[in-house]
Amino acid sequence: SQLAEENLWALSVHEGESVTVNCSYKTSITALQWYRQKSGEGPAQLILIRSNEREKRNGRLRATLDTSSQSSSLSITATRCEDTAVYFCATEHDSGYNKLTFGKGTVLLVSP
Amino acid sequence: GPKVLQIPSHQIIDMGQMVTLNCDPVSNHLYFYWYKQILGQQMEFLVNFYNGKVMEKSKLFKDQFSVERPDGSYFTLKIQPTALEDSAVYFCASSSSGGALAEQFFGPGTRLTVL
Repeated sequence: SQLAEENLWALSVHEGESVTVNCSYKTSITALQWYRQKSGEGPAQLILIRSNEREKRNGRLRATLDTSSQSSSLSITATRCEDTAVYFCATEHDSGYNKLTFGKGTVLLVSP
Repeated sequence: GPKVLQIPSHQIIDMGQMVTLNCDPVSNHLYFYWYKQILGQQMEFLVNFYNGKVMEKSKLFKDQFSVERPDGSYFTLKIQPTALEDSAVYFCASSSSGGALAEQFFGPGTRLTVL
């Protein structure tokens, strides 16, 4: 079973709408990170939320973390076509060596 | 922002041959990583590397795999010999520190096809 996984394979919204991607994980974590991967590129970190934090914002992005249910969400407001990408959550376990465990990702398509 | 480069972007080789994947990490970063992503599956950690040594490796990091960064040049992943199941996209990453909260910067990946 996956140590981290997003709950939906794909989402489609129109530009300007808001969207939320959810993620669940299975073990205790040090931190959870959200990454975005555009076609032909490597993943890029969007937000890192520590295990003792409940919410983190970065511009149009808002991440939440619920350690009791072992889940996280990433919300994007006022979506743009350039937000089209695959969104991953990745967890960091306390191995001491910054080893990330990724989910399979949610494909987000933002259309005009 | 900081960029990690990977060379080549695609590589096709015959099973049993050796292949070396090259990564040019962010300047002044000291911690390096390789991840493997098979089509349709999640990206999985292979190995991390610091100060000339492997710090941690996963069960995917088979005996046929090796990593090095000779004289501060490219960080390389060598597979010798290759097997069909090694076909995947390999992502390199680097970070300035090795703590649990250090941001990893990823390259665009090398797509390896083993025939």
